Amino acid sequence: KQEVTQIPAALSVPEGENLVLNCSFTDSAIYNLQWFRQDPGKGLTSLLLIQSSQREQTSGRLNASLDKSSGRSTLYIAASQPGDSATYLCAVNVYQLIWGAGTKLIIKP
Amino acid sequence: GAGVSQTPSNKVTEKGKYVELRCDPISGHTALYWYRQSLGQGPEFLIYFQGTGAADDSGLPNDRFFAVRPEGSVSTLKIQRTERGDSAVYLCASSPQGRGGTNEQFFGPGTRLTVL
Repeated sequence: KQEVTQIPAALSVPEGENLVLNCSFTDSAIYNLQWFRQDPGKGLTSLLLIQSSQREQTSGRLNASLDKSSGRSTLYIAASQPGDSATYLCAVNVYQLIWGAGTKLIIKP
Repeated sequence: GAGVSQTPSNKVTEKGKYVELRCDPISGHTALYWYRQSLGQGPEFLIYFQGTGAADDSGLPNDRFFAVRPEGSVSTLKIQRTERGDSAVYLCASSPQGRGGTNEQFFGPGTRLTVL
């Protein structure tokens, strides 16, 4: 059974720091992996999607990597800003999405 | 073009009542998914439609939950005899194709259901 874990559950860092969020999954048989952002009381914003054949994707200050063999993905955020404060969720696509519980990120001004 | 829309955005009901939640997927998307997100948790899969048929309803928690997609577009999630534990955000997503799976799923804003 596929399980997705995100560590840490919460993270608070000063503005300007680079940071890494972690996502691990137990079964490497996935089609792709997606990172989402969720603001309090709001819907999901898709950040990056990595197909199973890819190693990484970049969008602006965000870079996501995928290592299927080890069951890991990381989301790297460069030069963090207070506006990056949100909960970040990863989900693996086994045709339905299997989700982690998220990392709550707080960027302190 | 228009994204996935869900109505209502908020629904407050009393325990034991019946509710319907609606999802309008992106035009032309054949696959439609329902997920449920409880407070502080990631979303959980409920049901997947390919066209008009429910291809996988293994995530529905019990027989009080039912969903339809009669014309292969709009879907309605129906909950009978609501319980306080049904309170959650119900998310709908669509994708161009279904199983086979490289497709991205596009999410609606969700319906926040509160059962008093």
